[in-house]
Amino acid sequence: AQSVTQLDSQVPVFEEAPVELRCNYSSSVSVYLFWYVQYPNQGLQLLLKYLSGSTLVESINGFEAEFNKSQTSFHLRKPSVHISDTAEYFCAVNYGGSQGNLIFGKGTKLSVKP
Amino acid sequence: DADVTQTPRNRITKTGKRIMLECSQTKGHDRMYWYRQDPGLGLRLIYYSFDVKDINKGEISDGYSVSRQAQAKFSLSLESAIPNQTALYFCATSDFRLRAGELFFGEGSRLTVL
Repeated sequence: AQSVTQLDSQVPVFEEAPVELRCNYSSSVSVYLFWYVQYPNQGLQLLLKYLSGSTLVESINGFEAEFNKSQTSFHLRKPSVHISDTAEYFCAVNYGGSQGNLIFGKGTKLSVKP
Repeated sequence: DADVTQTPRNRITKTGKRIMLECSQTKGHDRMYWYRQDPGLGLRLIYYSFDVKDINKGEISDGYSVSRQAQAKFSLSLESAIPNQTALYFCATSDFRLRAGELFFGEGSRLTVL
């Protein structure tokens, strides 16, 4: 069955430390991959996406994710986090192209401490 | 103004009551979705609609119904609310031209069923 696994439900880190939020998906010939962020009391916003081409994708606020087909992973990383990065992060995968729907992981709560 | 607007933002009701959550969008997208978010469970798809005449069940449609009144409006109804329908509900939109299925979310409607 198609699934998305976020291996950590909570990740506490100190400010300016690096962070990695892990995401694995069930193997498929073709997938589209997304990371969404949900700040407290807000809706979900797109952080970055992989559709095709370069396997490393970046967001405007310093996050990056790498599509690894052999590992079926799309881990999210940031070399130095800020307090303002505290949020819940969701990995999502579309297995069905234009007729498919996004399947979401269960989310990872990133807590950045001073 | 938000591109995807949900009303009400917060609602407390009693078991057995009928509840309607409304969603309207100004993005001009053809596709609309209702998701439910529960702590630790991520987002689960309730219903989706690819156009006005197309309604599809999602992963957890039991106990819910929807109506697509116009391209810009998609409402979710709970005919007889029960406590385990207490959750945060999100409306989302997408454009068929975005072949990857990227979603744009509203701010959410928090429903509490007593």
